[in-house]
Amino acid sequence: GAGVSQTPSNKVTEKGKYVELRCDPISGHTALYWYRQSLGQGPEFLIYFQGTGAADDSGLPNDRFFAVRPEGSVSTLKIQRTERGDSAVYLCASSPSGNSYNEQFFGPGTRLTVL
Amino acid sequence: KNEVEQSPQNLTAQEGEFITINCSYSVGISALHWLQQHPGGGIVSLFMLSSGKKKHGRLIATINIQEKHSSLHITASHPRDSAVYICAVRYMDGGSQGNLIFGKGTKLSVKP
Repeated sequence: GAGVSQTPSNKVTEKGKYVELRCDPISGHTALYWYRQSLGQGPEFLIYFQGTGAADDSGLPNDRFFAVRPEGSVSTLKIQRTERGDSAVYLCASSPSGNSYNEQFFGPGTRLTVL
Repeated sequence: KNEVEQSPQNLTAQEGEFITINCSYSVGISALHWLQQHPGGGIVSLFMLSSGKKKHGRLIATINIQEKHSSLHITASHPRDSAVYICAVRYMDGGSQGNLIFGKGTKLSVKP
């Protein structure tokens, strides 16, 4: 079956612009996670959805970052007034539920470059 | 602060060598994951374990809960094993059940 997909695969934007990154989780997975990976670092948690609601958004770095999952499937990560420091690979993962013992399945990531 | 430490940071091996990558964490966890990331960013889950040992092909993962330590072993290494191997944990801290805390990864290069 289809895995987690993310679009676009690459996004280049200018400082100050607004960007949206999309994640399509595996069908039926209720838990969805966004992570950010800077060059040479491990991924860092941003936000976790259980269904339509954000169960934990403690990893969002500031109020320029926002994510939604209105129908409990596709999620969009939105970044306002982008800064060069936002350049990273943004990873999405899904799992059947938020149970600690569920495996997370990762998408290929979106590489964001802010010039 | 909950942290995940991996060692070594970089590892170069000759084809056929036995490889060990280590992961240490600071407090109680509910699960530990070993992930593989190839150039280009895609992450594949190799193992998820909360106790004991798991084996899949040439890969073996072990965890010692008392010592808060896990190891990933690769037997008869091959150039196609070259990738970044990442350890990630879920802490039993009563907070979010969702997110993983990641190590910085171990970059493995296997030479033919």
